[in-house]
Amino acid sequence: SYDLTQPPSVSVSPGQAASITCSGDKLGGKSVCWYQQKPGQSPILVIYQDTKRPSGIPERFSGSNSGNTATLTISGTQAMDEADYFCQVWDTTSALFGGGTRLTVL
Amino acid sequence: EVLLVESGGGLVHPGGSLRLSCAASEFTFNSFGLNWIRQAPGKGLEWIAYVSSNGNTRFYADSVRGRFIISRDNAKNLVFLQMDSLRVDDTAVYFCARGRSLSSLYYFDYWGQGTLVTVAS
Repeated sequence: SYDLTQPPSVSVSPGQAASITCSGDKLGGKSVCWYQQKPGQSPILVIYQDTKRPSGIPERFSGSNSGNTATLTISGTQAMDEADYFCQVWDTTSALFGGGTRLTVL
Repeated sequence: EVLLVESGGGLVHPGGSLRLSCAASEFTFNSFGLNWIRQAPGKGLEWIAYVSSNGNTRFYADSVRGRFIISRDNAKNLVFLQMDSLRVDDTAVYFCARGRSLSSLYYFDYWGQGTLVTVAS
């Protein structure tokens, strides 16, 4: 089965850029999306098709995908961005999520 | 605004059954595939089931295939998850999510608030 690997945690200072990676075999050949989940809340979609932002998602959220790694970048990170982030792909007949990364803004 | 509201969660003994429902509104229900995704306490997201817009196609994760059945009622804007032979490791918050298809990507653009299923003796 296909696996997606994310670092368990990432820390960033307010105002700095945060990068969260998602790794998988030839991941650049797949289309990746990202979800943000705050404690006690449902996930929300922040990036789809590698780089696209849904309506209402701030411009500071961006994505890229090449080789074996997709990256979610949050520029000018704010305290409100502290959350868990999950990458996801579709593999034939099933959706696969990465294990998730807890972003801490300190 | 798209709304998905799950219900039916609760405490059940191992080996028991439970039926979850998801009521949808504010979108053309019979134009979208629907999914169930779960999250065990303190853990990540696990997709478990998909049903196509017309109900004719269903996919399942290996962890639930043969025990869970996803279905939908397009006349009532409802999607269901019948869960049988429940195990302790099925304990999770169960989310209903609307699916979107784009090229090779299938993703989830709206999620419900979730319903908690606890399997314990």
